[in-house]
Amino acid sequence: DVKVTQSSRYLVKRTGEKVFLECVQDMDHENMFWYRQDPGLGLRLIYFSYDVKMKEKGDIPEGYSVSREKKERFSLILESASTNQTSMYLCASNPTGTGSPYEQYFGPGTRLTVT
Amino acid sequence: QKEVEQDPGPLSVPEGAIVSLNCTYSNSAFQYFMWYRQYSRKGPELLMYTYSSGNKEDGRFTAQVDKSSKYISLFIRDSQPSDSATYLCAFDRGSTLGRLYFGRGTQLTVWP
Repeated sequence: DVKVTQSSRYLVKRTGEKVFLECVQDMDHENMFWYRQDPGLGLRLIYFSYDVKMKEKGDIPEGYSVSREKKERFSLILESASTNQTSMYLCASNPTGTGSPYEQYFGPGTRLTVT
Repeated sequence: QKEVEQDPGPLSVPEGAIVSLNCTYSNSAFQYFMWYRQYSRKGPELLMYTYSSGNKEDGRFTAQVDKSSKYISLFIRDSQPSDSATYLCAFDRGSTLGRLYFGRGTQLTVWP
């Protein structure tokens, strides 16, 4: 059974803190993605990675960085959290090279509140 | 112009109604047309996808694509309270990087 897990369901942090969101997939997928989801704005892509140590900016990378040291793990880092980064964060993964469509498998999300 | 447009609703219908959800897109490079369903406090899951213009049916769900108008639809027949969720359209350019382009999602409530 396909599984994407995220380290926390709910997280509360203070402004200025460094925040790490972890995502792990057990499907040996090459591609991994970080989104944030806000009411009225939908899913917006922050960063994605197509291989270990490789990353690509998405549509809203400002204020975020990522790390992928192992194939199964993709971390999202908020260097200095701000209140406008309060959001639902979703991680996803999919395989590459097997032909479209590339169904993405999502984790349950982390609800981050920055106060 | 945004690549994908989707009315966020919300949409509220009685049980048994036919529901129509729609998206428009501007990128001619999109090859696959997908619908994801997201229940409250869960991640999205793929519901169905189509490749070409026309209809694809899966039980009570029908996906329709009109490439000439750059318009896709999802119809739900005999809607049930268990269909209450947010429905997101998504598009695939066929890139090996696996990136998808999502609509904002339409929140649907089916009341008994």
